[in-house]
Amino acid sequence: EIVLTQSPATLSLSPGERATLSCRASQNIFNYLGWYQQKPGQAPRLLIYDASNRATGIPARFSASGSRTDFTLTISSLEPEDFAVYYCQQRSTWPLTFGGGTKVEIK
Amino acid sequence: EVQLLESGGDLVQPGGSLRLSCAASGFTFSSTAMGWVRQAPGKGLEWVSSISGSGKDIHYTDSVKGRFTISRDNSRNTLILQMMSLRAEDTALYYCAKDRGLWNFFDSWGQGTLVTVSS
Repeated sequence: EIVLTQSPATLSLSPGERATLSCRASQNIFNYLGWYQQKPGQAPRLLIYDASNRATGIPARFSASGSRTDFTLTISSLEPEDFAVYYCQQRSTWPLTFGGGTKVEIK
Repeated sequence: EVQLLESGGDLVQPGGSLRLSCAASGFTFSSTAMGWVRQAPGKGLEWVSSISGSGKDIHYTDSVKGRFTISRDNSRNTLILQMMSLRAEDTALYYCAKDRGLWNFFDSWGQGTLVTVSS
């Protein structure tokens, strides 16, 4: 099973700041990585698929990069609605796996 | 607009069974892979199972193999998860999710149905 390790666990930032989230895979997953956002009481929302492609309707302040084992999600300037938990997920190999999440909280 | 509506969650005793359903609309269900993802209270996301549009290709996470069965009724646009021999660790909010392709990421999610396994 591919293990995805997200860091940091919590990121404390102010609106307008830049957020950089990391996801590291235990083995090569090529570019088969996605990112989701989940707000309290809501279902997850797909932000990024295949490492760097924004899903439909996702604002341009969300960008992502990476390949093989190291991936990054960047939020260029945090909006109030961006404070949430972010998960990465790989689709390279069964079983599909998620990272443990990074909580982006208001400082 | 894609809509996914789960139902069937309940309080059940350890060893019991439960059947979850997900009614789908707003897309061509029969040609779309689907999945179940669960989230234990206060925890992260865990993929449970996925099924291809035809229903011929199915995958499970190891912890539910032999206990859970995923299926679909394409005539009724419904995804099903039959759960047997339930354990306390199966307690979670179960989300139905639409695959954005075949074995791709999940681009639409329901609001979830809560399964609680407790005596």
